[in-house]
Amino acid sequence: QAQLVESGGGLVKPGGSLRLSCATSGFTFIDHYMTWIRQAPGKGLEWISHISSSGSSTFYADSVKGRLTISRDNTENSLFLQMNSLRAEDTAVYYCARLRGWLIDLWGQGTQVTVSS
Amino acid sequence: EIVLTQSPDTLSLSPGERATLSCRASQSVSYRYLAWYQQKPGQAPRLLIFGASIRADGIPDRFSGSGSETDFTLTINRLEPEDFAVYYCHQYGSSPRTFGQGTKLE
Repeated sequence: QAQLVESGGGLVKPGGSLRLSCATSGFTFIDHYMTWIRQAPGKGLEWISHISSSGSSTFYADSVKGRLTISRDNTENSLFLQMNSLRAEDTAVYYCARLRGWLIDLWGQGTQVTVSS
Repeated sequence: EIVLTQSPDTLSLSPGERATLSCRASQSVSYRYLAWYQQKPGQAPRLLIFGASIRADGIPDRFSGSGSETDFTLTINRLEPEDFAVYYCHQYGSSPRTFGQGTKLE
């Protein structure tokens, strides 16, 4: 059964860094683009980044451009999100998700990131 | 950017009733690339409908989607207790991909 499991979230001070990981299993990872979606407290969903199956092409929302970096390791079937210069407004649950074409067809359970002094 | 506006924000119904949720786009959604997700507290969203009207695997046939261009609808017939959740529409036909703000079905 296909599965996505995020880790690496936590409490960090403004200006700090975190690295999120997403371990995948049950499907052929290299066949899929992958994305990170976040949900701030009491808010809706925001598509913040995606990466092509080879890792050669990436996209970032304006709200995170220059501060977050998406990457993947196709030998380890894993997705990553390096988060630098974190701000209070980055506080959210971060979901790893699988793309089928441009459709999100599978979500992880999410990892909480809290940016606070 | 395509802005998706869902209505109503909250829908109060009882089990057995029919729910009608609306999603309006600020521009035409390409190829009818409109999806609906269900999210329960503390859980990840679950794909219900894609391509505006195609049910995802394992989704009961009481869930149906319709619409095109800028107006889309999710209908849930004969509400079951497990259907009470937040529902999001999502367009994946244009970049940036965007979501509606959600409708809470209570």
